[in-house]
Amino acid sequence: GQNIDQPTEMTATEGAIVQINCTYQTSGFNGLFWYQQHAGEAPTFLSYNVLDGLEEKGRFSSFLSRSKGYSYLLLKELQMKDSASYLCAPMDSNYQLIWGAGTKLIIKP
Amino acid sequence: IAGITQAPTSQILAAGRRMTLRCTQDMRHNAMYWYRQDLGLGLRLIHYSNTAGTTGKGEVPDGYSVSRANTDDFPLTLASAVPSQTSVYFCASSTGTGSGANVLTFGAGSRLTVL
Repeated sequence: GQNIDQPTEMTATEGAIVQINCTYQTSGFNGLFWYQQHAGEAPTFLSYNVLDGLEEKGRFSSFLSRSKGYSYLLLKELQMKDSASYLCAPMDSNYQLIWGAGTKLIIKP
Repeated sequence: IAGITQAPTSQILAAGRRMTLRCTQDMRHNAMYWYRQDLGLGLRLIHYSNTAGTTGKGEVPDGYSVSRANTDDFPLTLASAVPSQTSVYFCASSTGTGSGANVLTFGAGSRLTVL
């Protein structure tokens, strides 16, 4: 079966760094997406990884290891506005996204 | 403003009633999707359409139907609503369906409560 595992909730301090992990098992693999979702709002695209390694985009970076079925999202210089849920979504062999339940990130001053 | 418009934003519905959630996009995206989001669960795909005139079933299609008469519109219909269909429904679209073309743009969501 297909399965996504990410922590339910994490807490971090403003200005710090946090890493949100995601492990996955899918039928085939065509890349992995990360989305951000603020409470009561729609998800918005953060990153897409299809090859192994780290992709950096400003304060946010995303890492992928296909052999380990593992990805992480790294957020640096945390700001209060980064308080949100972060959704991990690998794409299977049919190009369908398989969504994790999301990690709720709480930022404290 | 380019994007996806969903209506209604929120609705309370009696069980057994028929309900259509509307979704319109103005980005000329080929693919459109309907998801439901429930607390503690990931987004679950209900139905999708890779291009106008075609539709397909997702992970949880039972009790729902869709149509794609043109590129812009993708309504979702609940023929006879049941309480388990209480959820937040998101419409989304993407330029294509392969790999990096699958970046989804989401509508603001429709919160449906079935009593």
